[in-house]
Amino acid sequence: EAGVAQSPRYKIIEKRQSVAFWCNPISGHATLYWYQQILGQGPKLLIQFQNNGVVDDSQLPKDRFSAERLKGVDSTLKIQPAKLEDSAVYLCASSPMGGTGNEQYFGPGTRLTVT
Amino acid sequence: AQSVTQLDSHVSVSEGTPVLLRCNYSSSYSPSLFWYVQHPNKGLQLLLKYTSAATLVKGINGFEAEFKKSETSFHLTKPSAHMSDAAEYFCVVSEDGGFKTIFGAGTRLFVKA
Repeated sequence: EAGVAQSPRYKIIEKRQSVAFWCNPISGHATLYWYQQILGQGPKLLIQFQNNGVVDDSQLPKDRFSAERLKGVDSTLKIQPAKLEDSAVYLCASSPMGGTGNEQYFGPGTRLTVT
Repeated sequence: AQSVTQLDSHVSVSEGTPVLLRCNYSSSYSPSLFWYVQHPNKGLQLLLKYTSAATLVKGINGFEAEFKKSETSFHLTKPSAHMSDAAEYFCVVSEDGGFKTIFGAGTRLFVKA
């Protein structure tokens, strides 16, 4: 079974530029998560989708971050414009369904450096 | 509101000695609790999970954790550390009936030869 795919693996941009990350979850997984992991910290949930609907985006900085999962499969996370403090690893995860008790399967992450 | 506190940012043990990584949580509901491991330059991997069944949970690679409701703790243990256990470990809480997942700050485990 193929795992969660993310691209690109690395990205370097200047502040005020825009960037987009792509995630393809495990086939058949209804729930998709985007996390931000700043160096030395635990992952922070940015947004959670159940199929193509948003379940939780309470920690997504909506003035600059946006995410979509139009067909309930793959997803894109965008930052526009980027700030220095957005430098982090962006992790995508999926699970068969949402709610508690369900293991999340993580992708390798995208390391973003904003200069 | 739920939260997770990992009591040690770094733990260092010698190979062959026991491992104890401590985690306390708070939750308004019956939580599910997880431990994930992150090796350098690798993705997060589930070690074990508690979902209101047996309070002593066994995971992969010889790790186990005990859910203690009275102490609101979910400490991770292993009887004998291996060099390959050196990694970052995250305690995670997810509330029953909800969809919020919160990671602890992580504990980096060092294993000395």
